[in-house]
Amino acid sequence: QQPVQSPQAVILREGEDAVINCSSSKALYSVHWYRQKHGEAPVFLMILLKGGEQKGHEKISASFNEKKQQSSLYLTASQLSYSGTYFCGTESYGNQFYFGTGTSLTVIP
Amino acid sequence: EAQVTQNPRYLITVTGKKLTVTCSQNMNHEYMSWYRQDPGLGLRQIYYSMNVEVTDKGDVPEGYKVSRKEKRNFPLILESPSPNQTSLYFCASSSPPGTQYFGPGTRLLVL
Repeated sequence: QQPVQSPQAVILREGEDAVINCSSSKALYSVHWYRQKHGEAPVFLMILLKGGEQKGHEKISASFNEKKQQSSLYLTASQLSYSGTYFCGTESYGNQFYFGTGTSLTVIP
Repeated sequence: EAQVTQNPRYLITVTGKKLTVTCSQNMNHEYMSWYRQDPGLGLRQIYYSMNVEVTDKGDVPEGYKVSRKEKRNFPLILESPSPNQTSLYFCASSSPPGTQYFGPGTRLLVL
């Protein structure tokens, strides 16, 4: 029931783009994306509710394909501050929440 | 300032000695949750609560207890801690289906 994230780790140079995928075996009500810096608590990025919508702010956006139970996080023109571990979180119809195992993103100059 | 607070931030204890980690939020959120984070396993939900006096098991509830007597507080209780409960613990709150706000985390070491 824990969503599967891919890739597990990625290294980018500043200005490059990245896509992080999240896939669940259960029907989803919503997908959340969080970023966690080392030694800190996860910080909310965005939430997508069922309906296939795409959301975003600045250069980070996400999509949610309800039928495929998949979500993708898009980071464009990456900055050093984007480094961290990204988690997707999935909520099914029952209020229980599952986080993926995380994707470590490192942006280098 | 809207926040979730946890205490203590760091705790070293011995096997079998009961402990409580407190969690409090000032945002009037209905939903509160406890997670543990272990390397390679991500965040796993221990217990969650939809409102006062309503709690449910998450993915890894064994060895833990919770209570929700007040809306703002959601303590995590380890009646008889064991070394496999050594972990980083996070409390979170939200108004569904919205943002989960996380506390700063509690690092627990059980010897």
